[in-house]
Amino acid sequence: DAGVIQSPRHEVTEMGQEVTLRCKPISGHNSLFWYRQTMMRGLELLIYFNNNVPIDDSGMPEDRFSAKMPNASFSTLKIQPSEPRDSAVYFCASSLAGLYQETQYFGPGTRLLVL
Amino acid sequence: AQSVSQHNHHVILSEAASLELGCNYSYGGTVNLFWYVQYPGQHLQLLLKYFSGDPLVKGIKGFEAEFIKSKFSFNLRKPSVQWSDTAEYFCAVLTGGGNKLTFGTGTQLKVEL
Repeated sequence: DAGVIQSPRHEVTEMGQEVTLRCKPISGHNSLFWYRQTMMRGLELLIYFNNNVPIDDSGMPEDRFSAKMPNASFSTLKIQPSEPRDSAVYFCASSLAGLYQETQYFGPGTRLLVL
Repeated sequence: AQSVSQHNHHVILSEAASLELGCNYSYGGTVNLFWYVQYPGQHLQLLLKYFSGDPLVKGIKGFEAEFIKSKFSFNLRKPSVQWSDTAEYFCAVLTGGGNKLTFGTGTQLKVEL
């Protein structure tokens, strides 16, 4: 199994630009999670999907952030426009939800730097 | 809302020393508990998890954790650490009825030779 795949692994962009992060969950998993990790705030859950449907987006910081999951094998997290304070490592995780005994498996992360 | 506390933010040990990292959570119902490890520059990897049954859980690389329900704790232990255990360790809680993991702030462990 390839595990959770994220791209790009590193992204450097200028303030105001659009950034799109991509995630491919583990095949067969039906829940997908986007996290952000910073030194100041640690690991924060931004949004999660169950069966491609957004369930909880209360962690999305503001309207500049949006996430989609058009099918079971692909999700995007978009920041438009990006700001320097968005610099962080963004992790995607997936799990097989059901009967309340699931484990989340994390991807390698995308290290984003907004100048 | 549930919360997870890791009181040790930075721990420095010599090789072969014993390790115990604290984790407390605040939630009165059924919980699933996890410890993840993040090696420098890498993603989070699952060390061990507790769902039910024996409260003493054994994970990979010689780690174990004990769930003490009365204390709302799930402390991580290793009898003898190695230099390669240098990493950040995160405790996480999954509460009943949801998919949402709540993470602690993490403990940075440095093992010196």
